Amino acid sequence: AQSVTQLGSHVSVSEGALVLLRCNYSSSVPPYLFWYVQYPNQGLQLLLKYTSAATLVKGINGFEAEFKKSETSFHLTKPSAHMSDAAEYFCAVSSFGNEKLTFGTGTRLTIIP
Amino acid sequence: EAQVTQNPRYLITVTGKKLTVTCSQNMNHEYMSWYRQDPGLGLRQIYYSMNVEVTDKGDVPEGYKVSRKEKRNFPLILESPSPNQTSLYFCASSLKGSPYEQYFGPGTRLTVT
Repeated sequence: AQSVTQLGSHVSVSEGALVLLRCNYSSSVPPYLFWYVQYPNQGLQLLLKYTSAATLVKGINGFEAEFKKSETSFHLTKPSAHMSDAAEYFCAVSSFGNEKLTFGTGTRLTIIP
Repeated sequence: EAQVTQNPRYLITVTGKKLTVTCSQNMNHEYMSWYRQDPGLGLRQIYYSMNVEVTDKGDVPEGYKVSRKEKRNFPLILESPSPNQTSLYFCASSLKGSPYEQYFGPGTRLTVT
């Protein structure tokens, strides 16, 4: 079985500050890991994914995430927050040969002007 | 434009009145899936389909039905809706096999009174 835990259902950062959204996973097989973003009244959009190549993954809009097997983590970061980053972010896990995505409970990111 | 469409976007109905939420994709994807999103619970998979005429239960299938008669369409059927099915529903599609990106529709907000 696979699962994802996102620490912090709400995170607030000031504009220009570092964004750090935490994700820990549990998987009995090598995982594939994803971050999706959901803007208000929209569907989910892929930010980035880890597929067992480079452990540091760069995504859209300046976001990146690092896969750390020893810590079973895949935290999402962005050096400088922008007002347009305000959204809900979901971490998800799957594995080879398994299309099913198991999602975390989400983190709502608020940007303070 | 590659996209997943859902209709209707918003629906208010009464307990027991059968309804169908349509989902269509124009990317020739084999894999399609339905999720429900509830506050504090993230997205949970309802049903999925690996190809035409092949469907299977996800994590929360009770009270739902699906069909896959054509590759592009994957309707979600609630034969006797109940208030606990009030939720935000998303359809998604992807190529078969992981870790292909899943593309999400814009969502259908359903209220059952």
